[in-house]
Amino acid sequence: GAVVSQHPSRVICKSGTSVKIECRSLDFQATTMFWYRQFPKKSLMLMATSNEGSKATYEQGVEKDKFLINHASLTLSTLTVTSAHPEDSSFYICSAPRPGRTQETQYFGPGTRLLVL
Amino acid sequence: AQRVTQPEKLLSVFKGAPVELKCNYSYSGSPELFWYVQYSRQRLQLLLRHISRESIKGFTADLNKGETSFHLKKPFAQEEDSAMYYCALSASGGYNKLIFGAGTRLAVHP
Repeated sequence: GAVVSQHPSRVICKSGTSVKIECRSLDFQATTMFWYRQFPKKSLMLMATSNEGSKATYEQGVEKDKFLINHASLTLSTLTVTSAHPEDSSFYICSAPRPGRTQETQYFGPGTRLLVL
Repeated sequence: AQRVTQPEKLLSVFKGAPVELKCNYSYSGSPELFWYVQYSRQRLQLLLRHISRESIKGFTADLNKGETSFHLKKPFAQEEDSAMYYCALSASGGYNKLIFGAGTRLAVHP
């Protein structure tokens, strides 16, 4: 099946630094990708929709200047957590929809665990 | 507003027992409903969607628009079914964003 990868799988950074997380669709093109955040033992919360060639669409309450999204190509979207703080520590997951013969399916990356010290 | 509610955080059953994971949704239009599963240390993956009307790994789910429900059922649970199950809603198709429920952890005991 389709594969979506994320890099890095885990990152630890100091407070105040910026962290970039990559999301790649490995065997299909994705004009749209989605970024989610998952707190421990909680559900996935949609943060933003990444659009290739245009600005990302952010969900209500998500700071676009804090979470910078760039959809550089049809296979790559990046999420940069700027000036990270301990409260940004979380599990970040991306997904990409892939058209199928009759319907499309969203494929999820394995997630990136961010720990801000 | 779009909302997905999974009232049970944990469902614990014995092997061979029937399973029903509840999901209710709130959406004014015609939603597309999904069940996603996350096994231990694995990524989230699609289990089934309502428009397919298929049975995956013995699981089925019927969309009940009158009750705005999309409960997941399996007549005989297996230990390998133990996982986290998320009900999700999309406004249309899957290109649109998915709204997830809080998830239900299914624990199947031998």
